[in-house]
Amino acid sequence: DAKTTQPNSMESNEEEPVHLPCNHSTISGTDYIHWYRQLPSQGPEYVIHGLTSNVNNRMASLAIAEDRKSSTLILHRATLRDAAVYYCILRDPPYNQGGKLIFGQGTELSVKP
Amino acid sequence: NAGVTQTPKFQVLKTGQSMTLQCAQDMNHNSMYWYRQDPGMGLRLIYYSASEGTTDKGEVPNGYNVSRLNKREFSLRLESAAPSQTSVYFCASSEASLRGETQYFGPGTRLLVL
Repeated sequence: DAKTTQPNSMESNEEEPVHLPCNHSTISGTDYIHWYRQLPSQGPEYVIHGLTSNVNNRMASLAIAEDRKSSTLILHRATLRDAAVYYCILRDPPYNQGGKLIFGQGTELSVKP
Repeated sequence: NAGVTQTPKFQVLKTGQSMTLQCAQDMNHNSMYWYRQDPGMGLRLIYYSASEGTTDKGEVPNGYNVSRLNKREFSLRLESAAPSQTSVYFCASSEASLRGETQYFGPGTRLLVL
């Protein structure tokens, strides 16, 4: 699985948008870009994933660069509950051979009231 | 629908003791995983089971064994605990599809080996 690079930490104000960047310059054509987050003292939880097109769900949006070498997770209105470590992970099918997630250091997001 | 459950939540062991961490999922997923997370670090895969009846080593399997008891349950055993195994252990499960795969994690077991 290709490597990802994220900033160690970011700060945001409550109710403002947050853009969390991820660089993956060695991404292959079949790698999906996944985002997970880990709230304090909890297990990771899935946030969103995509391949080429931008994706939206109830939690966040994922913007993928045209060359796919970078992506941005967008939280439209940060809340205090969004304070967590966010992991950007690349996954290469076929998933039925064992979905090994390679976790890096992630970005620790703090949200100020 | 409980998702992924793990027992125990906390455990203190002495060096050399053995124990089994239990994990169960009620989502009818084929794949299950055991990860460990050391302080300030990301998760590392210990073992995984792509389907019932199969298990495979991950990044850090030494000192551990696993059993995929049935489709629901996947246990992790420490035969002779060492202080280096002090960590938080997470179990996860997933179901793959052509559109991708989402892993669901349990709440974790915090293990301290003295």
